[in-house]
Amino acid sequence: NAGVTQTPKFHILKIGQSMTLQCTQDMNHNYMYWYRQDPGMGLKLIYYSVGAGITDKGEVPNGYNVSRSTTEDFPLRLELAAPSQTSVYFCASSYGQTYGYTFGSGTRLTVV
Amino acid sequence: GIQVEQSPPDLILQEGANSTLRCNFSDSVNNLQWFHQNPWGQLINLFYIPSGTKQNGRLSATTVATERYSLLYISSSQTTDSGVYFCAESQGGSEKLVFGKGTKLTVNP
Repeated sequence: NAGVTQTPKFHILKIGQSMTLQCTQDMNHNYMYWYRQDPGMGLKLIYYSVGAGITDKGEVPNGYNVSRSTTEDFPLRLELAAPSQTSVYFCASSYGQTYGYTFGSGTRLTVV
Repeated sequence: GIQVEQSPPDLILQEGANSTLRCNFSDSVNNLQWFHQNPWGQLINLFYIPSGTKQNGRLSATTVATERYSLLYISSSQTTDSGVYFCAESQGGSEKLVFGKGTKLTVNP
């Protein structure tokens, strides 16, 4: 099992550009999550999904969009990138609410 | 929303020493998890422990749900234990995990 796979690992984006961060899991987990981690801080939830076709906002959803068309994939879309979106983005998945999370290796995004 | 407080914020140990990390919560404990973020940024789930005690090798965790805190014990620390340890709890028992700011552990040889 590959677990949770995130691509790309690094990316530099210009202000105003858009991009999609990819996240795929092969563990048949229903729950998937996107977090961002700023330097010296904990993780903050952007969006999450409890199953295909179902998504909901987390703590910091502004400037982002998600979709969940399959169980395996949960892409995160950044529209009109801003310097404040410079961060490390982590995707995670779990079987459900009472199960531990498995994290991807992260995407380090810089907006200049 | 739920507040997650971790202490100490920083900890420096000599190899072989033991340590205790603490996590306090402002709300009821439902989905408590401990994570280790290694120096390369990878996040590893250590424990899912909403109550009771669990052990995994040199690491163990105890959650006292009635008093809203959890402890992570690291015994005979090794340099590979270095990194940041996070605890997290769900917002109102929902799917939304809220993370503390972490304890940065440095283990010197």
